Amino acid sequence: AQSVTQLGSHVSVSEGALVLLRCNYSSSVPPYLFWYVQYPNQGLQLLLKYTSAATLVKGINGFEAEFKKSETSFHLTKPSAHMSDAAEYFCAVRNSGGYQKVTFGTGTKLQVIP
Amino acid sequence: SQTIHQWPATLVQPVGSPLSLECTVEGTSNPNLYWYRQAAGRGLQLLFYSVGIGQISSEVPQNLSASRPQDRQFILSSKKLLLSDSGFYLCAWSVGGRRNEKLFFGSGTQLSVL
Repeated sequence: AQSVTQLGSHVSVSEGALVLLRCNYSSSVPPYLFWYVQYPNQGLQLLLKYTSAATLVKGINGFEAEFKKSETSFHLTKPSAHMSDAAEYFCAVRNSGGYQKVTFGTGTKLQVIP
Repeated sequence: SQTIHQWPATLVQPVGSPLSLECTVEGTSNPNLYWYRQAAGRGLQLLFYSVGIGQISSEVPQNLSASRPQDRQFILSSKKLLLSDSGFYLCAWSVGGRRNEKLFFGSGTQLSVL
């Protein structure tokens, strides 16, 4: 069964600094991978997704993620953090079954310090 | 365009009382529907999913049940709530029959069982 592990439940960065949120996946088949963002008291919205078309995936709000098969990783990055990036971020993997079951990581809360 | 409605936004219920959370999707047909629960520090846990009317799959044994009486309506229920049922409940949908489509989330229901 597919799974994802997010390293670090809380990450703090200074405004303007690099954002790096880590995600490692476990899958016996090529996975479909996603990053979602959740703002306080809201549902989740998709940041970006990897579907094997390109290893470097660009998403909304300046975020991007790189799929590295050798490292089984799909880390999320942004060159320069903005105060509005403060939120919780979830990595997710879609299974390869006949239905779309998506398994989420435990989430990483990003704090941006002015 | 498609929209997803989930209500109520917040709910405080006593232990042992019944529960009914409703979710409806507009602007699409035959969606896959999901109920997730988000507990602090535990990420999102898939509770139920449905690929069609009357078709419900349960991911974890628990005190809750789900029903899909209409194509775009998904209901989460309980006959007697437990303290451990407290959490943030999210309804989501995805395009039916597509393998890598993203999830669209509702705004969530914060349930407090006292």
